[in-house]
Formats: sequence, C-alpha cells, structure tokens
Amino acid sequence: DQQVKQNSPSLSVQEGRISILNCDYTNSMFDYFLWYKKYPAEGPTFLISISSIKDKNEDGRFTVFLNKSAKHLSLHIVPSQPGDSAVYFCAASNRNQFYFGTGTSLTVIP
Amino acid sequence: KAGVTQTPRYLIKTRGQQVTLSCSPISGHRSVSWYQQTPGQGLQFLFEYFSETQRNKGNFPGRFSGRQFSNSRSEMNVSTLELGDSALYLCASSYLPPGQDTQYFGPGTRLTVL
Repeated sequence: DQQVKQNSPSLSVQEGRISILNCDYTNSMFDYFLWYKKYPAEGPTFLISISSIKDKNEDGRFTVFLNKSAKHLSLHIVPSQPGDSAVYFCAASNRNQFYFGTGTSLTVIP
Repeated sequence: KAGVTQTPRYLIKTRGQQVTLSCSPISGHRSVSWYQQTPGQGLQFLFEYFSETQRNKGNFPGRFSGRQFSNSRSEMNVSTLELGDSALYLCASSYLPPGQDTQYFGPGTRLTVL
C-alpha cells in the first residue's frame, strides 16, 4: 500500500518558469517531510524539508508548501533552470521510518 | 566531511549466487537505512539500523539481510539471487534514529543479476 504518492510521473517546464511538483500522503501520523533530487546513476540529494508545525519553508529557489488538512505537499522551483532536470522524490516520516513516493521526472526546456 | 560511501558501485552476478554490499555512513552518524530502487517503483525500504540494532524491516524476503558494526558501517547481504533482484541499492545515514532526522544518501550500488 503506497502511503506516499506522486501522481505525475513526468513534468516539462520552460526555463525561467515555475515548476510545481506534487505529493499526496494518506497517513495522518506523518509529520516530517523531505524532498530529494536524483540524477541518473547517483544517489538522491537532499533538497528541503518541512515539519508539520509549519506550512511553508523556503531555501533559495526552492519552496515547500504543506497542507495538512488535504494531506498534500508541493515543491515549487522558481525560476526553473536546465540543471534542475532530474527525478524528484518526496518522503514522509512518522518519526520511525521514511516512506518515499515513486518520483516525478522534471525536464526543464532551455 | 565525507559523504556516505557505498562499495562496490557496480556488480554483476548470476542467479543463485549471493552478494554483500557495504555502506560507510557520514562520520558521526549512527543510523543507516537501506533501500532498493527499481524503475517505476520509487525507493522501497529494506531495513534500518541504529547503534547496531535493527529497528525496522521492510517487506522483503528473508534472503535479504543486513547488519551494522560498532563503527556504524553497515553491510547488506542477498542470498540466492533472483533476476528480480536487479536494482540500485541505496544506503542513507542520519545522526538521529531514522524518521527523526534528514537522511543523506550514498551513490548506490547497481546490481545486475543475469
């Protein structure tokens, strides 16, 4: 049973525009969330996190939004750059274990 | 500070063989988790260790096992390899027990079973 879902397998965005990657979860006990970026043949790289006591966290071009009532989080990348082309994974934790989504492949078109 | 290292980076084995993968966490990190990544499946949790104790185990057969040493280095072993075991195996480390702290991943070991 997939407790963390990324329903868009792929996304294409023009360079300079906003990329919005979405993630839904089912377990209301999840209270800590992470986003990772992964290039082919490399391990995932940590991008940004958010705790359930907040609804927004920013780090440079990356902003994560958390809507606890909808059990939904999103990652905004502004402006998008060609180097952002990668697979993005969201992960959720119940403070005991992380659960990962299946990933969204982002392509930023120059 | 050096990142998480995994050895070997690539492995080719045949069905029925066994394999051992190694993971060295970031210095000072006491938690190591292992994941399997296959196309379209995301990261499937295998097991995790904290201070040499296995705390959680994913839904994988008993052919998959692991251990953690006193220096926090970890190994995972897969016995009687099957074609479906071909995957990227990732390990991740954190300072606090898993789920309480950001995990940092190694580059992975690409296992191909022929």
